[in-house]
This record gives sequence, structure tokens and C-alpha cells, in this order.
Amino acid sequence: GNSVTQMEGPVTLSEEAFLTINCTYTATGYPSLFWYVQYPGEGLQLLLKATKADDKGSNKGFEATYRKETTSFHLEKGSVQVSDSAVYFCALSPHTDKLIFGTGTRLQVFP
Amino acid sequence: DTGVSQDPRHKITKRGQNVTFRCDPISEHNRLYWYRQTLGQGPEFLTYFQNEAQLEKSRLLSDRFSAERPKGSFSTLEIQRTEQGDSAMYLCASSLGGNVFFGQGTRLTVV
Repeated sequence: GNSVTQMEGPVTLSEEAFLTINCTYTATGYPSLFWYVQYPGEGLQLLLKATKADDKGSNKGFEATYRKETTSFHLEKGSVQVSDSAVYFCALSPHTDKLIFGTGTRLQVFP
Repeated sequence: DTGVSQDPRHKITKRGQNVTFRCDPISEHNRLYWYRQTLGQGPEFLTYFQNEAQLEKSRLLSDRFSAERPKGSFSTLEIQRTEQGDSAMYLCASSLGGNVFFGQGTRLTVV
């Protein structure tokens, strides 16, 4: 079946630190991969996506590369800000835009 | 384009009562999805529509749940004989063969 596993949080960092949130997946076929972000009190927002192997998605300084050989889609940012504090969800879509989410990783950034 | 709109934002109901939630997707989006999110978990797929046709239902959607999308525009999700285990955030999303956009959700509390 299809599933997503992401690292447990919370991840606590100081401002300007490097961020990695790990995400691995199990899927039949070749799914699209996504990172969604949920800021406090707000709805889920698409952060970035990649639709095929070796694609790199990027947005707002965040990046993730679709690694088929390791079935991974780790989220990275070189220098986090306090405003990046949120819950980050890794997700895959096998077809029809239906999304299968991981459990989410809370990021807390302190000044 | 005002995004995906959900109503109400919060609902408190007594166990055994029926509740109905409404979702207005982004105009012209032909696909509409319902998800359920419980505390500390990622959203779980419930059902999806392409235009007015309900094409897939999760096994999470028991016979107490029903969703409709008359005329392929707004959608309603009804829960009959609510149980405490139904307490969750119910998310609606829409897409047009590409990125999926989420509403802010309806938080249901069953007391």
C-alpha cells in the first residue's frame, strides 16, 4: 500500500540554523510528492512538490529532492526564521490528486 | 478567487445528534475532497468527487457519514448519530488536475 513516514517532532532550532525534516514513503508506481505547511490557526498550504524522480521542489528557501532509490523526500532549509515555526506534513499522491499524509513534524524556531 | 471556504468553523454537538458541514471549493475546480484530521495526526482521506460524482470513499467513512456535491459546486458532509470519536477537524480541499488547495476546516467537538 501507500504510506508516508516522517520524523517525529518537535524539532527545536535557533534562528538561522539548518533544517532537515526526514520523510520516506512506500508507494506502488510513481507518485507525486509534496510538503504542506500548517501555520498556527491556519489551514494547510502547499509548500513545494515534485512529480518525478530527481525533481527538486523549492519555495521560500525550502527544498526537497525526490529520491526514488532511497524512497525519500527530505525537507531542507539553510537558515530558518522564527516565522517558519509551524507543522510540516509530507504527503504523496498516487493518482487523482488524492493525498496520503504523514503524521506531521512540528518545528519550533527560537530567536 | 477567495479560496476554499468551509462553514461552520467550529461546531459543538451532543452525542447522538446529526451535524452537517458545507464546503465551497475554488470556482471551476472540478475535484473536491474531504479529509479528517485528529490531534497530532496528518489528514486522512475520506472521500472525493469529480464534478458531482462521488468516485472514491475511504473505509473510514462509515454508514453514518454521507457526502454530496449536487450540481458539482459546493459539497456537504453529514454525520448522523455523532459519537465522541467523531471529534476532529474536517478539512475540505479542491483541485483542477494539479495543486490541491485546502480550506481552514471545521472543528467538530462531540460532547
